[in-house]
Amino acid sequence: AQSVSQHNHHVILSEAASLELGCNYSYGGTVNLFWYVQYPGQHLQLLLKYFSGDPLVKGIKGFEAEFIKSKFSFNLRKPSVQWSDTAEYFCAVNAGTGANNLFFGTGTRLTVIP
Amino acid sequence: NAGVTQTPKFQVLKTGQSMTLQCAQDMNHEYMSWYRQDPGMGLRLIHYSVGAGITDQGEVPNGYNVSRSTTEDFPLRLLSAAPSQTSVYFCASSQGQGSPLHFGNGTRLTVT
Repeated sequence: AQSVSQHNHHVILSEAASLELGCNYSYGGTVNLFWYVQYPGQHLQLLLKYFSGDPLVKGIKGFEAEFIKSKFSFNLRKPSVQWSDTAEYFCAVNAGTGANNLFFGTGTRLTVIP
Repeated sequence: NAGVTQTPKFQVLKTGQSMTLQCAQDMNHEYMSWYRQDPGMGLRLIHYSVGAGITDQGEVPNGYNVSRSTTEDFPLRLLSAAPSQTSVYFCASSQGQGSPLHFGNGTRLTVT
């Protein structure tokens, strides 16, 4: 069975600090990888996705993520966070075959202090 | 373009009551799914459907039923609500395998 691990449960940063959120998955085959963001009181929105090709993918709002196949990782980064980035971030993986079921990590809550 | 619409937004049930959470999408997506979100547990898949007339179980299907009579609608039924079903429920849809999910705004359900 697939699983997704997000080791940081709550991250607190000051504005302009750099961000890196870890995500590891357990699945040996072809995967599609996603990062979603959930702002307080809202539904999940797609930040970025990786299907194939360049392992460094860029998303909305200055976020990027790097797929490292040998480490089964897909870490999310942002060079300089803003107060408006305060939200919960979810990593998700899809096995790449069969139904389009996503398996989500437990989420990382990011608090950015002005 | 409404996307994925869920109703109701909030619901309080007593133990043993039944109800249906509605989900509709207007993007002609074949794939639809239901997730529940609980603190510290992320999102867990309840049921999913790859097209009209086809449904299957996800990670946590017990206590829930679904049907898919049309492409647009994918209701989630709780036949006999239990306090363990207190959660936020999200419906999602997508075009096909590997496509990003589009989420509804969620239904916050409390079972007392």
